[in-house]
Amino acid sequence: DVVMTQSPLSLPVALGQPASISCRSSQSLVDSDGNTYFNWYHQRPGQSPRRLIYKVSNRDSGVPDKFSGGGSGTDFTLKISRVEAEDVGVYYCMQGTQWPWTFGQGTKVEIK
Amino acid sequence: EVQLVESGGGLVQPGGSLRLSCAASGFTFSSFWMSWVRQAPGKGLEWVANIKQDGSDKNIVDSVKGRFIISRDNAKNSLFLQMNSLRAEDTAVYYCVKESRSRSESDWGQGTLVSVSS
Repeated sequence: DVVMTQSPLSLPVALGQPASISCRSSQSLVDSDGNTYFNWYHQRPGQSPRRLIYKVSNRDSGVPDKFSGGGSGTDFTLKISRVEAEDVGVYYCMQGTQWPWTFGQGTKVEIK
Repeated sequence: EVQLVESGGGLVQPGGSLRLSCAASGFTFSSFWMSWVRQAPGKGLEWVANIKQDGSDKNIVDSVKGRFIISRDNAKNSLFLQMNSLRAEDTAVYYCVKESRSRSESDWGQGTLVSVSS
């Protein structure tokens, strides 16, 4: 199975400050079709997860542009340009290239 | 508006069975791969299974292979997860998910809690 490793696992951030989360996969996520099926999700306490980013850098509908995704191959990053109170929760990376699709352990973002 | 409503969760003894259902609306159900994702209490996410539009292709994670079966009824816009030989480690919230890998289409249900305990 592809192992997804996130860092940090806990991220205290002051309001208005930027935040960055890294995710590394144990093998390349480039599919045979040339696409890289790598996503980011956000889960607020008590809520279902919501996908933010698909295929590395594409924002899902309704996701504010303060969220940006980047990377390639095995190393990926999610950046939040200015953290707001609504951004707290757990962020997960996920690969959908090779079955079983797998998630990272999650990064808990809280307001400092 | 897309709606995914799970049902069928509850408390079951180890070795027992449950059948989860997901009622879908607001989109053309037969046009999408559908999935089940679970989350143990206080833990991370695990993609359990997915099924192709016509049911001809299915994937299931090794931890439940041979015990869980994913299926769908396109005529009733419904997704199912038959769970047999349940174990304590299957205790989790189970989410019904409609998600495209390549397009901005991702929807998750509110989840249904399955508790396996004697």
